[in-house]
Amino acid sequence: EPEVTQTPSHQVTQMGQEVILRCVPISNHLYFYWYRQILGQKVEFLVSFYNNEISEKSEIFDDQFSVERPDGSNFTLKIRSTKLEDSAMYFCASRDRQVPPLETQYFGPGTRLLVL
Amino acid sequence: KNEVEQSPQNLTAQEGEFITINCSYSVGISALHWLQQHPGGGIVSLFMLSSGKKKHGRLIATINIQEKHSSLHITASHPRDSAVYICAVFSGTYKYIFGTGTRLKVLA
Repeated sequence: EPEVTQTPSHQVTQMGQEVILRCVPISNHLYFYWYRQILGQKVEFLVSFYNNEISEKSEIFDDQFSVERPDGSNFTLKIRSTKLEDSAMYFCASRDRQVPPLETQYFGPGTRLLVL
Repeated sequence: KNEVEQSPQNLTAQEGEFITINCSYSVGISALHWLQQHPGGGIVSLFMLSSGKKKHGRLIATINIQEKHSSLHITASHPRDSAVYICAVFSGTYKYIFGTGTRLKVLA
């Protein structure tokens, strides 16, 4: 069964460093999402992406964040200058079909980011 | 106040019990999503609803749009059902708002 994959599974970085989290969505999917979950807290929406542009973003997704689909298969989240509070589990998800929102999203296993 | 509230926050049940998890929301939505998060962190989509009721195996989800309320039921619960169950709503075309989750533990 096709699945969403994410790399790395864990990343430790120093405050102020740039990190790139990578996702490979399911191949025929059209909509892509990033979410984060700070330890012990609820999942939070970061950004949605369709047709090579951001569809919607949350208040969390400030200028330090960017997303890209560089090659038609990968979907990346870049954090330019990490802060301690960026430590969280980051989930990627993808969805098929052009009619939102009733199509199931498929989630990746997550990348656990720790900023020291 | 959270826009999406779940109750209970924690639930312990004996194997075989019928379980109900509730979700109430205060915003206009186009659909509601029930998700399951395993102890390792992985998230699995269970149901998406915009009206009525859906059933999959031992899981049943209902939604009442007028009352802004949804329930997730688990019949004949099993220890492998132990997980965090999350309600998320689509508000607007693309924006997801998540509830805080209900932590379920089913004892053998």
